[in-house]
Amino acid sequence: KAGVTQTPRYLIKTRGQQVTLSCSPISGHRSVSWYQQTPGQGLQFLFEYFSETQRNKGNFPGRFSGRQFSNSRSEMNVSTLELGDSALYLCASSDRPGQGYEQYFGPGTRLTVT
Amino acid sequence: GENVEQHPSTLSVQEGDSAVIKCTYSDSASNYFPWYKQELGKGPQLIIDIRSNVGEKKDQRIAVTLNKTAKHFSLHITETQPEDSAVYFCAASEGDAGNMLTFGGGTRLMVKP
Repeated sequence: KAGVTQTPRYLIKTRGQQVTLSCSPISGHRSVSWYQQTPGQGLQFLFEYFSETQRNKGNFPGRFSGRQFSNSRSEMNVSTLELGDSALYLCASSDRPGQGYEQYFGPGTRLTVT
Repeated sequence: GENVEQHPSTLSVQEGDSAVIKCTYSDSASNYFPWYKQELGKGPQLIIDIRSNVGEKKDQRIAVTLNKTAKHFSLHITETQPEDSAVYFCAASEGDAGNMLTFGGGTRLMVKP
């Protein structure tokens, strides 16, 4: 099976712009979670989607949003970009929601905000 | 919410030696504890996990132990090899928070040949 794929791999944006990142989970996986990784804050949970519904949301401002499509692919959007949004954005997929199911990460999208 | 602390932040060992990384968690409702290995330029890779109904799990040179009473779990790597050099993260799954993982700060492991 192919792993989790994320596009684009690298992105450079300017403050105030918006950005959309895409994630395709492992075939058959229906749960997708997003994480932000920075040197200062480490790995932080953004949100989780299952069956096109957001199930959980981390402690991030409303500028961060996401959605999931019927084929389980997911997108996250960040509006009004700030310098502090520069990070590696990781997507993880699982074959089901709930505690205790393995999550597999993609390679991430490296976002740089200038 | 859950809080996970990980020690040490850096660890340097000689090839062939063992490496131990320790994590503590705060939420007694957490019952799933995965470990991830992240190499430069890559996403975290799941290497082993343990659930709260198990005290120890082993997979070749890697083992994880869990002490629910003390709320801590550890990763043990035996016979380390240079390719084990990476950043390792522990994580805990919160009781009522679905797939959400709370991660430790990471340990940079360097295996010297």
